[in-house]
Amino acid sequence: NAGVTQTPKFRVLKTGQSMTLLCAQDMNHEYMYWYRQDPGMGLRLIHYSVGEGTTAKGEVPDGYNVSRLKKQNFLLGLESAAPSQTSVYFCASGGGRETQYFGPGTRLLVL
Amino acid sequence: QQQVKQSPQSLIVQKGGISIINCAYENTAFDYFPWYQQFPGKGPALLIAIRPDVSEKKEGRFTISFNKSAKQFSLHIMDSQPGDSATYFCAARRAKMGNQGGKLIFGQGTELSVKP
Repeated sequence: NAGVTQTPKFRVLKTGQSMTLLCAQDMNHEYMYWYRQDPGMGLRLIHYSVGEGTTAKGEVPDGYNVSRLKKQNFLLGLESAAPSQTSVYFCASGGGRETQYFGPGTRLLVL
Repeated sequence: QQQVKQSPQSLIVQKGGISIINCAYENTAFDYFPWYQQFPGKGPALLIAIRPDVSEKKEGRFTISFNKSAKQFSLHIMDSQPGDSATYFCAARRAKMGNQGGKLIFGQGTELSVKP
């Protein structure tokens, strides 16, 4: 039981490049979330999903897209990376109750 | 308003002392208030949580105090240990409406350092 896993752990992009961050959970949770963490700003919700095939915008969705084709996976895409997207990205999943379980994070540097 | 305001931003406590972190919220529709603990290089992990129908919850050395009328809640770490050194986040969840998905609103975080 791995919980929530994220791929990759670290990535460097050049401005304008695209990439996809993968989140996988093995807890059969309905809800999944993508956050970004920046110093002094806590965790801010980018997008979330309440079930397979659904997605919704969070607090800071601009510049990101998501897909939830399978219940266990939640993908976060950056179509054209910008330096402002340099951050640590966390995926989380929850079973519809209160607890959210977080992955180990992906560090992204956009040059 | 969806904000959750957390203070202080950083905290240094001597071993054995009490660490206190405070949070304030504005939205009275919040119905669940968790605290998360995050060690460097790791994801946040749930530490303790409270609902607004109780004023205090204690788990070991960790206590949440909740003041509904003031819209404030705080985390107290008794007998603080160097191993408690981490970043702590408070959060609040709005009572579920439709497909809100149990979204959490996080505070800005407090970096706690416990000196030996």
